[in-house]
Amino acid sequence: NAGVTQTPKFQVLKTGQSMTLQCAQDMNHEYMSWYRQDPGMGLRLIHYSVGAGITDQGEVPNGYNVSRSTTEDFPLRLLSAAPSQTSVYFCASSWGLAGGRRSYEQYFGPGTRLTVT
Amino acid sequence: EDQVTQSPEALRLQEGESSSLNCSYTVSGLRGLFWYRQDPGKGPEFLFTLYSAGEEKEKERLKATLTKKESFLHITAPKPEDSATYLCAVQPGGSNYKLTFGKGTLLTVNP
Repeated sequence: NAGVTQTPKFQVLKTGQSMTLQCAQDMNHEYMSWYRQDPGMGLRLIHYSVGAGITDQGEVPNGYNVSRSTTEDFPLRLLSAAPSQTSVYFCASSWGLAGGRRSYEQYFGPGTRLTVT
Repeated sequence: EDQVTQSPEALRLQEGESSSLNCSYTVSGLRGLFWYRQDPGKGPEFLFTLYSAGEEKEKERLKATLTKKESFLHITAPKPEDSATYLCAVQPGGSNYKLTFGKGTLLTVNP
């Protein structure tokens, strides 16, 4: 298994540009989420999904959109990039209640480092 | 509101010098407490889940313990390769998914 994969690894955007950060997992996990990590702030939840077609907002959702059309993929869209969105973005997944496992630990991807100028 | 406070923010040890990292939490019920390790430029790597007070888990030189208000990550005879940031996160009761993370402890082990 590749686990959780993210692309791209690095990205530079200009203010106002839009882009999509890709996230995929091959573990058939039910739950997927996006976090941002900023110095001194810790990991903060942006959006999450409890299954295909189901998404919800986390702690810092403004300026971001998500959708989940398949179990495997959970892209994060920046609609109009702003310098405040400069951060490292991590995607994570977990079994949750899938298959009766009741396993809640989340597995993280390698991250996308985004700079908005 | 759920809160997680990790201390110290940074810890420097000599190789072989055992110590502990602290994670204090306030949460409405506790479904689970998680420890992660994060190396520079990498995503967090899952280490342990603890579910109830009194529970302990071990992996190599690491041992995690849990009380009703805090968790400790004990590092026995650390090696330079144990250098990393260690993150603690809590999952509140009633949530299958939501995690609240602490800001982490940066551990440096000198040879």
